[in-house]
Amino acid sequence: DTGVSQNPRHKITKRGQNVTFRCDPISEHNRLYWYRQTLGQGPEFLTYFQNEAQLEKSRLLSDRFSAERPKGSFSTLEIQRTEQGDSAMYLCASSQSLDAGYNEQFFGPGTRLTVL
Amino acid sequence: KNQVEQSPQSLIILEGKNCTLQCNYTVSPFSNLRWYKQDTGRGPVSLTIMTFSENTKSNGRYTATLDADTKQSSLHITASQLSDSASYICVVRAGGYNKLIFGAGTRLAVHP
Repeated sequence: DTGVSQNPRHKITKRGQNVTFRCDPISEHNRLYWYRQTLGQGPEFLTYFQNEAQLEKSRLLSDRFSAERPKGSFSTLEIQRTEQGDSAMYLCASSQSLDAGYNEQFFGPGTRLTVL
Repeated sequence: KNQVEQSPQSLIILEGKNCTLQCNYTVSPFSNLRWYKQDTGRGPVSLTIMTFSENTKSNGRYTATLDADTKQSSLHITASQLSDSASYICVVRAGGYNKLIFGAGTRLAVHP
């Protein structure tokens, strides 16, 4: 399978614990995005990388959230001291950076986080 | 403020019937508009992408239209199938930005 993959697919944790999610983008894509989606809503942008550089972060990304893409390939999203409000689907997407064209983003299946 | 609004919020139709979903946006400057299909518990999958110069684009039984003057788009589904049951999300990319602005989606249920 050459699509975007995310692990784990589901995570249940207790409030106050730390969690880390992983995203493996499509191999030739140099851009990687993280989104959060709550029930009944569209995804909300969290952050984006071009290669290993984190170029933009949303105000939604509080100081408890950190994302890395150390070698410009896979990325991790860590949430520290989880709160019940963090319960959501966390989606990763990747794209190529093209001078022209749509720069279409391809999404992974998501990681569903439940904070008890 | 850049926003994307979709209607209806949810829709139930019988298998074989057609339906049309609406999307209004206030995004400037406009770059392109996409429709995604999202099955429950899965990531969104792109159906169509249109720039301001494209009025209509088809992908099988899905046909999207775009009116850049009125900032409206629609997604028409022909001869619906049970597998069309999903959320359909309208997404607009603002020119010069790499992030996408998502609507809340229309949840479509196709019943036999």
